[in-house]
Amino acid sequence: DAGVIQSPRHEVTEMGQEVTLRCKPISGHDYLFWYRQTMMRGLELLIYFNNNVPIDDSGMPEDRFSAKMPNASFSTLKIQPSEPRDSAVYFCASSRSGAQYFGPGTRLLVL
Amino acid sequence: TQLLEQSPQFLSIQEGENLTVYCNSSSVFSSLQWYRQEPGEGPVLLVTVVTGGEVKKLKRLTFQFGDARKDSSLHITAAQPGDTGLYLCAGPNYGGSQGNLIFGKGTKLSVKP
Repeated sequence: DAGVIQSPRHEVTEMGQEVTLRCKPISGHDYLFWYRQTMMRGLELLIYFNNNVPIDDSGMPEDRFSAKMPNASFSTLKIQPSEPRDSAVYFCASSRSGAQYFGPGTRLLVL
Repeated sequence: TQLLEQSPQFLSIQEGENLTVYCNSSSVFSSLQWYRQEPGEGPVLLVTVVTGGEVKKLKRLTFQFGDARKDSSLHITAAQPGDTGLYLCAGPNYGGSQGNLIFGKGTKLSVKP
C-alpha cells in the first residue's frame, strides 16, 4: 500500500488567498483525521471523519477553515482566506482501529 | 480534561548513551501509543501498550506502561544517530468517538555521532 498521500508537500501563499490541502487515506481505513502541527502548540486535531461523515470539528480554529470528505478515498482541508498565523505543517492520518497512519504532511507558509 | 505531558521537552545526547523519556497524565488510559516523527515526515507508530505494568521491547527501545495506566516511559539503550526525532505519546480521547487520540507535545531527541 502507498500509505497516506498528501498534496501539495509545500505551499507558499500570500495572506488572503485560498489554500486547499488534499489527502488520500489508506484504502479500507474508515477514519480520517486532519491535524496541524506547530512548535508552540504541538500536534492539534482539527477535525475527523468516520465513514466520510464529520464526527468532531471542534478543533477547527474558525470559520475560515473547512473540510470535506466526498468519498472514502479523498478529503480536502480548505483555508479561505488564509492568514500568516495559519503557517504550520498540516497532517492527514487514517485509521481502521487504534493506530493512526500519517501522511508526510503539507508545510504551509502564509506570507 | 485529558492531558498527556511529556518530559523532557528536548534531549541532546552522544551516540552510545542511554536515555529515558516520560509520558504522564492524571487520567487513566486504556492504552497508550508511542510514535516517532523524523524531520520532514509524519509520525510513525512504534508500539501500543494496553496492560498496566506491561513492558514491550523493540530492539534497543523498551516501553513501559505504568501499573495505574496513567503514565508510560520509553528507554533507549545505546542511542544511535538514527534514533533522532520527535517522540510522541498518544492515548484515546474519551470525550470523543472511537478512534480519536490525544497527543502529548513530544520529546525532541538529538543523538550526536
